[in-house]
Amino acid sequence: QSVLTQPPSVSAAPGQKVTISCSGSSSNIGNNYVSWYQQLPGTAPKLLIYENNKRPSGIPDRFSGSKSGTSATLGITGLQTGDEADYYCGTWDSSLSAGQGVFGGGTKLTVL
Amino acid sequence: QLQLQESGPGLVKPSETLSLTCTVSGGSISSSSYYWGWIRQPPGKGLEWIGSIYYSGSTYYNPSLKSRVTISVDTSKNQFSLKLSSVTAADTAVYYCARRSLLWFGELWDYWGQGTLVTVSS
Repeated sequence: QSVLTQPPSVSAAPGQKVTISCSGSSSNIGNNYVSWYQQLPGTAPKLLIYENNKRPSGIPDRFSGSKSGTSATLGITGLQTGDEADYYCGTWDSSLSAGQGVFGGGTKLTVL
Repeated sequence: QLQLQESGPGLVKPSETLSLTCTVSGGSISSSSYYWGWIRQPPGKGLEWIGSIYYSGSTYYNPSLKSRVTISVDTSKNQFSLKLSSVTAADTAVYYCARRSLLWFGELWDYWGQGTLVTVSS
């Protein structure tokens, strides 16, 4: 069971908007920055969002991130069939003395 | 362009030690701006953080794996390695090596290897 909780799946039609939630606690999301990753089928994850809401070079502004308290959200607008992928949130968890990286369980996006 | 490439046996017997190496090209592993780490993904499941290492040798490990994991770095070869001892079928996964940037805040992995499937089976 993952430290961060994501919905197993979400779906929406092409052109529509979807949001993916990531819920944690004060030891992780509540006091650390969140990143988001896109994993297309059969490929390695790719960084989509860092520092809660910043996009690396080359990531379109259709992708956005936000954080409030102990939860974070990934938003995707203007959905395309190429957006069908698994999406993961990640952050640092400080609950143990040394800390560790943690990921959500992943959310499968289906573009209907 | 930075590239990371995992290498190592694709099949390991139960109770033995899994050993993987990540070769970094297009950049120096000795940069003070990055950690280097391992993340795995069992078939059909999510990502699991294994641990990370700085070029100086400083490490962080997943507490649930700490007793079995060793991550080391060889700056002369621009490589870092993973050893996981006493493996079982539960360690079967795609293993990714990746770069963690310190240029921004938070735990973020900005470059990933393609991943290598390691199967634990007799």
